[in-house]
Amino acid sequence: QKEVEQDPGPLSVPEGAIVSLNCTYSNSAFQYFMWYRQYSRKGPELLMYTYSSGNKEDGRFTAQVDKSSKYISLFIRDSQPSDSATYLCAMSYSGGGADGLTFGKGTHLIIQP
Amino acid sequence: GAVVSQHPSRVICKSGTSVKIECRSLDFQATTMFWYRQFPKQSLMLMATSNEGSKATYEQGVEKDKFLINHASLTLSTLTVTSAHPEDSSFYICSARSPARSTDTQYFGPGTRLTVL
Repeated sequence: QKEVEQDPGPLSVPEGAIVSLNCTYSNSAFQYFMWYRQYSRKGPELLMYTYSSGNKEDGRFTAQVDKSSKYISLFIRDSQPSDSATYLCAMSYSGGGADGLTFGKGTHLIIQP
Repeated sequence: GAVVSQHPSRVICKSGTSVKIECRSLDFQATTMFWYRQFPKQSLMLMATSNEGSKATYEQGVEKDKFLINHASLTLSTLTVTSAHPEDSSFYICSARSPARSTDTQYFGPGTRLTVL
């Protein structure tokens, strides 16, 4: 079993739809959870950063963490074609990126105009 | 803010040669830098962690003599792939951490695509 599981997709939705992206993980020691967006042949860009369980909202993006289920989600409201990219979940044991991050494979998201 | 650059963005080399990749934090001082490798349709895999002025810590399975890392200053880390072979062809991405920033996490560079012929 891999440490972090993420459906690679592709996930195709119409413009304006709500997008739900998810990851599951096996190691309960993970405390910090991140979502990155990666465009083709580019480096990952940080979208959301959360600690432990709970919700965090930033504009059209909402991140949820359920540590009891080892399950994290990213919701995108009012999706736009420019949101088309690969979304990577990442997690770490200690705060602030002191450790290397463990990534999921990434979900390829396509927003259809 | 939190800009990290990498140079070169793309490099093609012959088998057996060495290639150096630079990673710079442009607007902050990075106490720690990380090197990742990403194969097509795969996740980023951590290769090594480097702290300024000390030896890098390598992940299991990563050859330290093949992937030389130098972190000579708070804004620059280099990765040298020695005696490169076709199986080393990959997308190499660095990240930098600065605890002084409001969001203490890792900021990634744009990546370097290495192709070994």
